[in-house]
Amino acid sequence: AQSVTQLGSHVSVSEGALVLLRCNYSSSVPPYLFWYVQYPNQGLQLLLKYTSAATLVKGINGFEAEFKKSETSFHLTKPSAHMSDAAEYFCAVSTGGGNKLTFGTGTQLKVEL
Amino acid sequence: NAGVTQTPKFRVLKTGQSMTLLCAQDMNHEYMYWYRQDPGMGLRLIHYSVGEGTTAKGEVPDGYNVSRLKKQNFLLGLESAAPSQTSVYFCASSYRSGRSGETQYFGPGTRLLVL
Repeated sequence: AQSVTQLGSHVSVSEGALVLLRCNYSSSVPPYLFWYVQYPNQGLQLLLKYTSAATLVKGINGFEAEFKKSETSFHLTKPSAHMSDAAEYFCAVSTGGGNKLTFGTGTQLKVEL
Repeated sequence: NAGVTQTPKFRVLKTGQSMTLLCAQDMNHEYMYWYRQDPGMGLRLIHYSVGEGTTAKGEVPDGYNVSRLKKQNFLLGLESAAPSQTSVYFCASSYRSGRSGETQYFGPGTRLLVL
């Protein structure tokens, strides 16, 4: 069975600093991996996804993630944080039939002045 | 396109009452999903549907029923609400393809409080 672990339920960075949100996965088959963002009182919006093409995936709002099979990781990064990046971020793995998603527990990103 | 819409946005129920949450999508997606979101637990799949007239259980199906009578609608029912069902409920939909990896599009959510 596939699973996702997000290390750090809360991450705080200064505006302009590097953002690094960690995601490790477990999968018995080549995975499809996703990062979603949730702003307060809203639904989830896709940031980026890995579907076995390029291992470095670029998404919206300057975010990117690198798929590392040897480390079973799919960490999300952004070179320079902006106040508008404050949100909750979810990593997810697609679990086969029916395109179902298994989510991590989420990381709340706080951006401070 | 409205995308994925959910009705209602917020509801308060008393223990034992019943209700139905409605999800509608206008993207002609085959697949639809219901998730619940609880603090510190991420989103967990309740039920899903791979096409009109079909439904299947997800990770946490107990206490819920679903129906997909029309392709664009996916209903989630609570027959006898319990305080443990207090949560935020999200509906999502995606295209059907021959492989996984299709993006799921989410609705804005329904906040349910069961007293």
